[in-house]
Amino acid sequence: DSGVTQTPKHLITATGQRVTLRCSPRSGDLSVYWYQQSLDQGLQFLIQYYNGEERAKGNILERFSAQQFPDLHSELNLSSLELGDSALYFCASSVSQGSATGELFFGEGSRLTVL
Amino acid sequence: GENVEQHPSTLSVQEGDSAVIKCTYSDSASNYFPWYKQELGKRPQLIIDIRSNVGEKKDQRIAVTLNKTAKHFSLHITETQPEDSAVYFCAASTAYKLVFGAGTILRVKS
Repeated sequence: DSGVTQTPKHLITATGQRVTLRCSPRSGDLSVYWYQQSLDQGLQFLIQYYNGEERAKGNILERFSAQQFPDLHSELNLSSLELGDSALYFCASSVSQGSATGELFFGEGSRLTVL
Repeated sequence: GENVEQHPSTLSVQEGDSAVIKCTYSDSASNYFPWYKQELGKRPQLIIDIRSNVGEKKDQRIAVTLNKTAKHFSLHITETQPEDSAVYFCAASTAYKLVFGAGTILRVKS
């Protein structure tokens, strides 16, 4: 158990819909990262937050947005869903103070299926 | 932005043999290079990392080497065992962004 909690574990929805994925980082970790892992794909960096502030953006679509709340949990919002958005979405947290130069602790992931 | 290329995409070795996975990165400002192992259906977990001020690091059967001039780093696994079978990801970090390679599927045949 990494200490990072992601909900829901599985989600099935239809094209055009909107979903929210939730992540609670390890106790004490201020940094949260979101990654997308599609079938046969690597880990695509989406976005990073540190203590409520956005620190880095990767290949995140405009239909996707995220935020980190004062209690440090984070949410990834995916809207106008397309078939290609089906993937495993990982959240990770780190004790590193904003920089991505320390161990990332990954949650179990949220598997999104868009039909 | 940073781009990390990883080779090979698939690697099959006999139990007891060594396995080598290689990665190259594009941003010379990258200063942190971790390796993660992802077993089937599981989350990625850090197995070893190296920082830019170090050329080599070893942890039991696993070692990582870094060549900053050539901008490449490698993972070496000796005396492979069936439980080493997994997907291995290299990554490179500049400031706030950790970018992963595409992954290598390692199969250890017993």
